[in-house]
Amino acid sequence: KQEVTQIPAALSVPEGENLVLNCSFTDSAIYNLQWFRQDPGKGLTSLLLIQSSQREQTSGRLNASLDKSSGRSTLYIAASQPGDSATYLCAVQADKLIFGTGTRLQVFP
Amino acid sequence: DAMVIQNPRYQVTQFGKPVTLSCSQTLNHNVMYWYQQKSSQAPKLLFHYYDKDFNNEADTPDNFQSRRPNTSFCFLDIRSPGLGDAAMYLCATSLGDTTYEQYFGPGTRLTVT
Repeated sequence: KQEVTQIPAALSVPEGENLVLNCSFTDSAIYNLQWFRQDPGKGLTSLLLIQSSQREQTSGRLNASLDKSSGRSTLYIAASQPGDSATYLCAVQADKLIFGTGTRLQVFP
Repeated sequence: DAMVIQNPRYQVTQFGKPVTLSCSQTLNHNVMYWYQQKSSQAPKLLFHYYDKDFNNEADTPDNFQSRRPNTSFCFLDIRSPGLGDAAMYLCATSLGDTTYEQYFGPGTRLTVT
């Protein structure tokens, strides 16, 4: 049974820091991995999708990497801003999308 | 802009009173999903439609049902809501299954009194 774990569960950093959020999964037989952002009480916004054949994807200040063999993905956020404060969820796609419980990020001025 | 729309955004219902949540999409995607997300938990798939084919997750309670009358719309019916059904309900779409990106709506927060 696929399990997705995200570490840390919560993170509080000053503005301007570079961040790494971690995601691990137990079964490497996946089609892709998605990173989402969720603001309090809101839906999910897709940030990056990495297909299983890819190693990384970049969008603006965000970079996500995937090491399928070791069951790990990282989301790198450069030069963090208060507007980045949200919960970040990773999800792996096999026969369905399985989510981690997220990392709650707070960036303070 | 093409998007996934959920109505209402907030729904309050009484214990045991049937409620229907709505999802529509302008992406013309083949697959529509319903997820349940309880407070501080990961979203959990309830069921999905691939076109008109309905796929129910094994652990989805019988109290939850879904309808997809056409490509654009999908409904979640909760026949007799209990206090434990209070959650955020998320609708998502994708062009196909497994390898395709899922696009999520803003969610409907359901409160059961």
